[in-house]
Amino acid sequence: SAVISQKPSRDICQRGTSLTIQCQVDSQVTMMFWYRQQPGQSLTLIATANQGSEATYESGFVIDKFPISRPNLTFSTLTVSNMSPEDSSIYLCSVLEAEAFFGQGTRLTVV
Amino acid sequence: TQLLEQSPQFLSIQEGENLTVYCNSSSVFSSLQWYRQEPGEGPVLLVTVVTGGEVKKLKRLTFQFGDARKDSSLHITAAQPGDTGLYLCAGDESNYQLIWGAGTKLIIKP
Repeated sequence: SAVISQKPSRDICQRGTSLTIQCQVDSQVTMMFWYRQQPGQSLTLIATANQGSEATYESGFVIDKFPISRPNLTFSTLTVSNMSPEDSSIYLCSVLEAEAFFGQGTRLTVV
Repeated sequence: TQLLEQSPQFLSIQEGENLTVYCNSSSVFSSLQWYRQEPGEGPVLLVTVVTGGEVKKLKRLTFQFGDARKDSSLHITAAQPGDTGLYLCAGDESNYQLIWGAGTKLIIKP
């Protein structure tokens, strides 16, 4: 199993600013996944982050808005840039090892 | 990309009632997983079904994988308030990515 520490757990941000979310995994993993989730709804994959290469973004998500870093096999960050109220959501990082393991999530509110 | 349709998206029932949640696809998955998520936490795996026709039981929860491995169901018997949460099915499209259903928000009223 994998244990993922994600922070911050929540934040309230001003529009136009950026927030960086961090995820630390207790083991080395090849791929990390970043999701967005509206409360009570399903997961929407933002991008897949591989160590040593550029992240792969899903349709509707771009690197300029959601830059991702993956400096090593246990750590990744997702930045939500130039935020607007529409970016208010829960952001989750995840790894897949037979089953999916998740961080605790970051509840972001943009005002 | 395969799609996974999950229904119902919302269910509110009284304690003691039974319920079934469905996940359906037109495509075949190598396996299908069911997760439960509580507020402020990430989803947590309940079960993985792999073989067509497979049935797995977890106390009052019964999971079934269709014979053709295109659909699955979660049945809860005598639901309790502790069963309240968001239930998600996820199909294994490849070795490195899961396809997620829309989720079922379940509320069990005491």
